[in-house]
Parts: sequence; structure tokens; C-alpha cells
Amino acid sequence: DQQVKQNSPSLSVQEGRISILNCDYTNSMFDYFLWYKKYPAEGPTFLISISSIKDKNEDGRFTVFLNKSAKHLSLHIVPSQPGDSAVYFCAAIGGSQGNLIFGKGTKLSVKP
Amino acid sequence: DVKVTQSSRYLVKRTGEKVFLECVQDMDHENMFWYRQDPGLGLRLIYFSYDVKMKEKGDIPEGYSVSREKKERFSLILESASTNQTSMYLCASGVIRTDITEAFFGQGTRLTVV
Repeated sequence: DQQVKQNSPSLSVQEGRISILNCDYTNSMFDYFLWYKKYPAEGPTFLISISSIKDKNEDGRFTVFLNKSAKHLSLHIVPSQPGDSAVYFCAAIGGSQGNLIFGKGTKLSVKP
Repeated sequence: DVKVTQSSRYLVKRTGEKVFLECVQDMDHENMFWYRQDPGLGLRLIYFSYDVKMKEKGDIPEGYSVSREKKERFSLILESASTNQTSMYLCASGVIRTDITEAFFGQGTRLTVV
């Protein structure tokens, strides 16, 4: 059973607007969450992470929000740019040895 | 600049061959991971290692083994390659501590088994 879920396979947004990518998880013991961006035929690029003791982390145009009671996190990209078009993966750190568990990804398309 | 290097971008191997995929990181990270990515299935964990000579099975370890003799190197071995192991293989290394959590990926190896 999936422990990290990204329920939207795709998202389309207009350039300049906000992109909101969502992620849900089932294990309340997860300590850290990470977001990655991936272009075809390349390895994922680390974007931003958040500890479970925080509810928000910001880095430039990227902000991650964590709602522990709902077991939900989201990545906000403001403003969205065409170069942001990629597949975005949410990941969680689980287990005592630091297993990195991924969702299935959301394909973001930012239209000019 | 952080660096995770996978030995090959593209590989073509024959069914039944033993295949070695190498991954090297220069960040002194304790944790290293091997994933495969297939359309519609996301990134699935094959094995990970949290220290030299230590390894843990991920979600899909069957048909694979790993080796971590040195901290900077984590090898994935396909004991007898099969066509259903055709995939994109991704190595990552990371650190998980209270003060920092990050993990970086290599560029990926596209393996085709014929």
C-alpha cells in the first residue's frame, strides 16, 4: 500500500500564476519531507525539504506547507514559469535508518 | 557543488548477463539509495544503505543485490538480467539529521535488456 500519495497525475497552470502540488501520506512517524523536480531522461533535482516540526519552509519561488494533523503537504510555486514544466515528486523519510519513500509524481505544465 | 555520479547514461545488455551499475558520491553522505523509474509507477526503491557494508531491502529487491564496501560507492548488481529489468535506474545519496535533510540524485542510467 502506498505510504506517499500524489493523487493528481497532472496539473496545468498559466505562466505567472501559482502552481499548487499536493501530497498525502499515511505514516505519522515520517520525520522529513522532500520535493523533487524531474525532467525526462535526467535524475530528479532536489528542490526543498521540511521537517515535521515545522509547518512551512520557503526558498525563493518555492514554499512547502505541512499539515501534520491532515497528513498533507503541498508545494507552492509562485510565480510559475514555463521552465517549471516537469514531473514533481514528493518524498518522505521513514524508518529508523532513513528510507526515502516517493509518491508517483505529478506532471506540471506551465503554459506561456 | 554536490555530485552523485552514475557510471553510465545508457546501457544495453543481453538476457542472462550479470550487470553492474556503479554510483559514486563526493558529499560524505551516510545514506545511499537505488531506485528504478517506470512509467506510471514513480520511483520504486530497490535497496538502500545507511552505512558501509550495511544494506536494507526496499520495495522491489528481487533480482537485484547491492554492495557498499566504501562510503562513497554504492553498486547495484543484476545477477541475471531479464527483459523486465529494462528501466531507468537512479542512484541517490543523502544525509538525514535534525539540522539538515537532503538527498541528491545522479543523472540516471537507462538500461535496456534485450
